[in-house]
Amino acid sequence: GAGVSQSPSNKVTEKGKDVELRCDPISGHTALYWYRQSLGQGLEFLIYFQGNSAPDKSGLPSDRFSAERTGGSVSTLTIQRTQQEDSAVYLCASSFGGRADTQYFGPGTRLTVL
Amino acid sequence: KQEVTQIPAALSVPEGENLVLNCSFTDSAIYNLQWFRQDPGKGLTSLLLIQSSQREQTSGRLNASLDKSSGRSTLYIAASQPGDSATYLCAVGADRGSTLGRLYFGRGTQLTVWP
Repeated sequence: GAGVSQSPSNKVTEKGKDVELRCDPISGHTALYWYRQSLGQGLEFLIYFQGNSAPDKSGLPSDRFSAERTGGSVSTLTIQRTQQEDSAVYLCASSFGGRADTQYFGPGTRLTVL
Repeated sequence: KQEVTQIPAALSVPEGENLVLNCSFTDSAIYNLQWFRQDPGKGLTSLLLIQSSQREQTSGRLNASLDKSSGRSTLYIAASQPGDSATYLCAVGADRGSTLGRLYFGRGTQLTVWP
């Protein structure tokens, strides 16, 4: 079956612009996660959705970052007023049940802020 | 905060060698531990998941062990092949309250297997 998909695969934007990153999880997966992988850094957790609610958004680095999930499926990560330090690969993952289940990752969106 | 360390950071070996990748974590209150593989420009592929009550998991040429009390896990790769070349990431799932299952990642071991 189809895996996790993300769009766009690459995004180049100018400092100060807003960007939206999209994630389509595996059908039937109730849990969805966003991570960030910066150059030279490990993977950082950003936010976790169970259904449409986000019980853990403690990893969002600032109030410029927000995310939503609708219909228990697609999720959008929005970064407002982008900064150069936001440049990273943003990865989305989904799992069938709760957070303790195996997470399946999408290919990521590479964001470059000029 | 949970800290995950992977050693070595990079490894280059000839085809056919048996390998051991190491992962250590500072907080033993984990729910599970996963090993992932990441190929350049691609997402992560889950290789093995070990629940906190388990000692090891095996899949083909891969074997992962977990010693929760000492905060260590190893990934053993038997008879390495060039196709095994990738970055291997260790991630531990938290076992506390609202962060239950949240994954904390190491920085990975970059493996190159040459023919």
